[in-house]
Amino acid sequence: QKEVEQDPGPLSVPEGAIVSLNCTYSNSAFQYFMWYRQYSRKGPELLMYTYSSGNKEDGRFTAQVDKSSKYISLFIRDSQPSDSATYLCAMNRLGGGNTPLVFGKGTRLSVIA
Amino acid sequence: GAGVSQSPRYKVAKRGQDVALRCDPISGHVSLFWYQQALGQGPEFLTYFQNEAQLDKSGLPSDRFFAERPEGSVSTLKIQRTQQEDSAVYLCASSLVRTSGIGDTQYFGPGTRLTVL
Repeated sequence: QKEVEQDPGPLSVPEGAIVSLNCTYSNSAFQYFMWYRQYSRKGPELLMYTYSSGNKEDGRFTAQVDKSSKYISLFIRDSQPSDSATYLCAMNRLGGGNTPLVFGKGTRLSVIA
Repeated sequence: GAGVSQSPRYKVAKRGQDVALRCDPISGHVSLFWYQQALGQGPEFLTYFQNEAQLDKSGLPSDRFFAERPEGSVSTLKIQRTQQEDSAVYLCASSLVRTSGIGDTQYFGPGTRLTVL
């Protein structure tokens, strides 16, 4: 079993829909949780960064972390065709940027106009 | 530019050739990571530098893989005697280290897509 599990999709939704993406993890040492967006043939781009359990909102994006269940989510409101990309969850241990990120497989999202 | 840059963007090698991939981190970023991303997978950790010191190389898949960062800035990932299974995107990421010693988030370059024929 991998340390981080993520459904690879693909996920296809109509424009304007609410998208829910999620990951589960097994290592309780993970303290920092991130969501990256990766367009085709580009590097991952940081979307959201959270440390504690709870919600964090940034524009149309909301990240949720539930450490007790070892479950993280990303919600995208009013999805746009430009949101079509692969979304990667990532996490690392105490030490943050000094420790390697462990990624999920990524979920491929298509938002249809 | 303000971001992480990598070169070349694309590299085709014949099996058995040696390749060198370059990473220019964001200026002032102390930490530098290399990851390997196979098709349809998330990136997987290869190695980590803090300044010029290679502190973790546990993810390097074989002794054919070698990385260096001699002056604590630019890094090179070298793969000797390339094999077909080395075909992947190689990503570089850099981050700050705060005065508290806790690192900041990692910022990624565009990657080098290596194809071994």
